[in-house]
Amino acid sequence: KNEVEQSPQNLTAQEGEFITINCSYSVGISALHWLQQHPGGGIVSLFMLSSGKKKHGRLIATINIQEKHSSLHITASHPRDSAVYICAVCQGAQKLVFGQGTRLTINP
Amino acid sequence: EPEVTQTPSHQVTQMGQEVILRCVPISNHLYFYWYRQILGQKVEFLVSFYNNEISEKSEIFDDQFSVERPDGSNFTLKIRSTKLEDSAMYFCASNFRGSNEQFFGPGTRLTVL
Repeated sequence: KNEVEQSPQNLTAQEGEFITINCSYSVGISALHWLQQHPGGGIVSLFMLSSGKKKHGRLIATINIQEKHSSLHITASHPRDSAVYICAVCQGAQKLVFGQGTRLTINP
Repeated sequence: EPEVTQTPSHQVTQMGQEVILRCVPISNHLYFYWYRQILGQKVEFLVSFYNNEISEKSEIFDDQFSVERPDGSNFTLKIRSTKLEDSAMYFCASNFRGSNEQFFGPGTRLTVL
């Protein structure tokens, strides 16, 4: 059974700060997802990666397969980035196993 | 851009009643999933569905739950006799063969009174 742990659970920062959210998992995976969940509850996929690094706008996701660790970075954070960020892993079979989420609040 | 849709957005029901949650996956996708999120908790896998049959299900997905793809577009989750603890957000997701990237619907918030 794969355990997915995220840190921190809650993060408050000022607008413009560089943000890092971490995710660790316990068993080998085929892919890792970073997802964003807004207060209304909807889930949006930000990244799916199985190796290396991906960048989309101000968001960067990295994964270290050997360390079983991934990070999500947000550069020049903005209040609209405030949301819950969720790490989820895919193990061979298609189902996802989710972390508990990181609640990010960016203050103006 | 194609998207996964879910109806209704919010369903309120009495304990013991049957509910059907509906999802329309992206049209060329072949794998379908239901997940749920109880308020304040992490998202949990319920069931995956491929080629008109369940490919995997979790311990949560007991006999009160069933899934169906009644036609070429809809994918439904039926809860036969709802309990208070079934109150949650239910998400449908889909992906196409050969890809791990899942696309999520906006969710249905189920409230059991």
